[in-house]
Amino acid sequence: SAVISQKPSRDICQRGTSLTIQCQVDSQVTMMFWYRQQPGQSLTLIATANQGSEATYESGFVIDKFPISRPNLTFSTLTVSNMSPEDSSIYLCSVDSGEGQPQHFGDGTRLSIL
Amino acid sequence: GQNIDQPTEMTATEGAIVQINCTYQTSGFNGLFWYQQHAGEAPTFLSYNVLDGLEEKGRFSSFLSRSKGYSYLLLKELQMKDSASYLCAVRDNTNAGKSTFGDGTTLTVKP
Repeated sequence: SAVISQKPSRDICQRGTSLTIQCQVDSQVTMMFWYRQQPGQSLTLIATANQGSEATYESGFVIDKFPISRPNLTFSTLTVSNMSPEDSSIYLCSVDSGEGQPQHFGDGTRLSIL
Repeated sequence: GQNIDQPTEMTATEGAIVQINCTYQTSGFNGLFWYQQHAGEAPTFLSYNVLDGLEEKGRFSSFLSRSKGYSYLLLKELQMKDSASYLCAVRDNTNAGKSTFGDGTTLTVKP
């Protein structure tokens, strides 16, 4: 299975600032996803990171708030912009290795906004 | 769209067997996955079903009935370390291959 490196693993940020989270995969993958998991809740898909084109956002998430880059098949970034306490959450990068294969997850970024 | 239901919490005794159910509604089924997530950690893959029947993998088994929109995860010989959240996820072939996750079942194993 793919090895996924996600960083930072955690951060504490000030209200109104932005943070960029990086996701590096050890092999080329077609599908990369960004999820949010708020305390005590399940995973919510933010967007699908598309290589060479704009990300596809889920309902309730917009590019201005969560800009995503996917410059190649092994790397993606998610930026959480103009942060507020409501953005305190775990953000997870995930990759899909193909038909019949499960999604695999990075270790997550634990974000707290003061 | 997809709708996935699983119990919020379950409790079982060490050494026992527990069955975690998952029901789903989807417009284009393309596989069901079970994940385990310990507190503070990322989800890890447990099992995958795309055809009806039982898939066994050591102490864990997963069953699927596509006609009923139903799956279960069976954990045998429970150990304390099995205390975790168990997530059911359904992949939709009409939705760019994305998976939708249930809210998870928090399993507590007691001595």
